[in-house]
Amino acid sequence: EIVMTQSPALVSVSPGERATLSCRASQSVDSKLAWYQQKPGQAPRLLIYAASTRATGIPDRFSGTGSGTEFTLTISSLQSEDFAIYYCQEYHNWPPLTFGGGTKVEVK
Amino acid sequence: EVQLLQSGGGLVQPGGSLRLSCVASGFTFISYDITWIRQGPGQGLEWVSRISGSGRSAYYADSVRGRFSLSRDNSKNTVDLDMKSLRVEDTAVYYCAKDRSGWPEFDHWGQGVLVTV
Repeated sequence: EIVMTQSPALVSVSPGERATLSCRASQSVDSKLAWYQQKPGQAPRLLIYAASTRATGIPDRFSGTGSGTEFTLTISSLQSEDFAIYYCQEYHNWPPLTFGGGTKVEVK
Repeated sequence: EVQLLQSGGGLVQPGGSLRLSCVASGFTFISYDITWIRQGPGQGLEWVSRISGSGRSAYYADSVRGRFSLSRDNSKNTVDLDMKSLRVEDTAVYYCAKDRSGWPEFDHWGQGVLVTV
């Protein structure tokens, strides 16, 4: 089973600043990596798939990079609606499908 | 508009059973695998099960295999998750989710239902 590790668990950022979130896989997942955003009481929302492709309707301030075992989600200029928890998920060699533990982005 | 409408959550005693349903609309249902993902209280996301579009193949997490069963009725656009021998650790919000396009990238999710054991 592939283990996905996200860091940091919590990041404090001021509105307008950049946030950089990391996701590491215990073995290569090629580019089979998705990012989700989840707000309290809501279902997750797909942001990025195939490591770097924005999902439909996702603003271009969200970008994903990486391949193999190291991935990054960057939010270039945080808006108020971006404060949330972000999860990565691999789908290289399933089952199982695995998620990272999440990174919470909070207001500094 | 794609919609996934869930039902069936509730309170159940340990060892009990529950059925969750997910009714889909707005897309060609048979063309998409459906996945169930759960989230324990204050916890992250955990993959539970996945069923192919035809319904012929289903996959389960080790934590639920042998206790949970996933099925679908493509004539009714419905996926059912039958949960038996429920444990306290099965307490979670359960989501059904649809693939974006053939890969397990989940572009639409149900509203989630709470199961309390």
